[in-house]
Formats: sequence, structure tokens, C-alpha cells
Amino acid sequence: QKEVEQNSGPLSVPEGAIASLNCTYSDRGSQSFFWYRQYSGKSPELIMFIYSNGDKEDGRFTAQLNKASQYVSLLIRDSQPSDSATYLCAVNGPGTYKYIFGTGTRLKVLA
Amino acid sequence: DGGITQSPKYLFRKEGQNVTLSCEQNLNHDAMYWYRQDPGQGLRLIYYSQIVNDFQKGDIAEGYSVSREKKESFPLTVTSAQKNPTAFYLCASSPQAGTAYFGSGTRLTVV
Repeated sequence: QKEVEQNSGPLSVPEGAIASLNCTYSDRGSQSFFWYRQYSGKSPELIMFIYSNGDKEDGRFTAQLNKASQYVSLLIRDSQPSDSATYLCAVNGPGTYKYIFGTGTRLKVLA
Repeated sequence: DGGITQSPKYLFRKEGQNVTLSCEQNLNHDAMYWYRQDPGQGLRLIYYSQIVNDFQKGDIAEGYSVSREKKESFPLTVTSAQKNPTAFYLCASSPQAGTAYFGSGTRLTVV
């Protein structure tokens, strides 16, 4: 079983719609959760992190964490063509510096 | 400017040759990491280091070596034992408990 799982996509949404990206993880002891955006040929850049159950909003982005169900999601409101990229979910456990990444979901926002 | 600097951006290796990828950070982060990314794939951890003069193998350490003689520097050597080294190599750093930030990457090709 993969430690962090994401649907590879592509997930296609029209411009202005809400894009919903999901990630599940296997280690119940995981404490820190991150979303990175990676454009083709570039390095990942941090979008958001979340540590506590519930929602965390930052501009058009909302991260949602449900530790009981072991999933974390990222919502992108008012999606723009510039949001088209691969979104990587990463998880970090307690007492460890080891970040485990999912394989990423490719998002395509159609103009 | 604070950040993580990787060099070179592109690197070509001949069969049987060792090559070293540079990673320097001036963020005063304790931890540093090396990841490998293959086309259409997620990030796989090669090595990580939590403090100077100490490092741990990740999931795919065979054929690679690292050193951490200074807090700012974490070079990666791709040895001739790595039979399929063509990939995108990403260096990252993080504070003790926090977010990992990435350099711009080195694209290694075997010629």
C-alpha cells in the first residue's frame, strides 16, 4: 500500500470553477500535511500546510484535513488557466524530518 | 536573497562517470534532503540530513552518496553504480519542524 495516494488525473475543470484535489495517507501518526504546486519542468512550490483537523483558507485556496478518515484535500476556487499544474500532497510524521510525497494530480483549467 | 541554490541546472554524465550535484542554502535550516523525480512520477527520497555530519538513507539510496560537512551545504554524488541516473534531482531544506522548500533542480542526463 502506498503511503500517500493521489489520483494522477488529469482533472479538468472550466475556468472559474472549483477544483477539488484529494490525498489519502496510511500512517495514522502523521501530523503535518502540505500541498505543493509543480509546473512542468520546474521545482515544487509550497501552496499551503495544515496541521489541525478542519479547514484552512488562504486566498483562493482551502486545505481540508480529516485525520479520522486519513485524508487531506485542496480546494481551488475561481480556477484560472495559470492554476494548471501538478499538485503534490506531502505528509510528515511526528519526530521525523522525512516528508512522504504522493505522485501528484495533474490539474487542467480550461479557458 | 534567502533560498536554496542548486547547480548546475543541467548536467551530462558519461557512462561510468561520477558526478556531483551542488546544493547550498542560506535559510539556516537544520534539515536538508535530496529527491529524485522521473517523468510523470512523484518525488522519491534519496538521502536526508537532520544535522551536520549526520545523514540517513532514503528509499532509493543505492548508487548515490552525500556529505554534510557544513549546515549550508549538502552535495549529492551520483556514482557509476547508479545504472539509470537520468532524472530531475531536487534538493530541499526545512527547519526543525516546518515546511520543506525546494531549490530549482538539476536535470541529469546520461550521454
